Amino acid sequence: QVQLQQSGPGLVKPSQTLSLTCAISGDSVSSNSAAWNWIRQSPSRGLEWLGRTYYRSKWYNDYAVSVKSRIIINPDTSKNQFSLQLNSVTPEDTAVYYCARSLAPPRATFDYWGQGALVTVSS
Amino acid sequence: DIQMTQSPSSLSASVGDRVTITCRASQSISSYLNWYQQKPGKAPKLLIYAVSSLQSGVPSRFSGSGSGTDFTLTISSLHPEDFATYYCQQTYSAFITFGQGTRLEIK
Repeated sequence: QVQLQQSGPGLVKPSQTLSLTCAISGDSVSSNSAAWNWIRQSPSRGLEWLGRTYYRSKWYNDYAVSVKSRIIINPDTSKNQFSLQLNSVTPEDTAVYYCARSLAPPRATFDYWGQGALVTVSS
Repeated sequence: DIQMTQSPSSLSASVGDRVTITCRASQSISSYLNWYQQKPGKAPKLLIYAVSSLQSGVPSRFSGSGSGTDFTLTISSLHPEDFATYYCQQTYSAFITFGQGTRLEIK
């Protein structure tokens, strides 16, 4: 059974960096048949996929156009986890953030999700 | 990005009713269409993948159909636990997008 456990601060100041981590159990971040995603949800933007990282002989990343200039998703093979960094945040980045496993692209079905974490951007 | 438009945005129905939710893509997405159910305070749960394949453990009253740009999720006979918000999702593009959701409420 795959489990994803999210961690990170719930409050971030404007212009600073939002950082979250998703620890994986029951699978490997280096799996050749999975991808590791970050998604957020807010009343104004609904469910918004932010990006993913996956390993296919080398590491790949895909990022949503809306955040491409500000986002980094990194795998950490030593801890079997992956992280989200979102730079230069504004109050519009306030949302519940989820990590999720998906099948290999392009099927990319999201079959396991983290518990979600509310991140508020405020001074 | 591929835009996903669901209708209706909200729906009131009674236990035992048959309901259908529609999802339209702004371009053809072949069969790369999934459906999720979300309850308040919880992460979305995968119901149907690849248009019509039922995720393990999902009751058979849920079904999906469609192709190209037009897709439907049908619940054949509503149970009390089915009142939730439903989202479609396309994975045809590397830039994954979701519909805006359909809130299913008890009449």
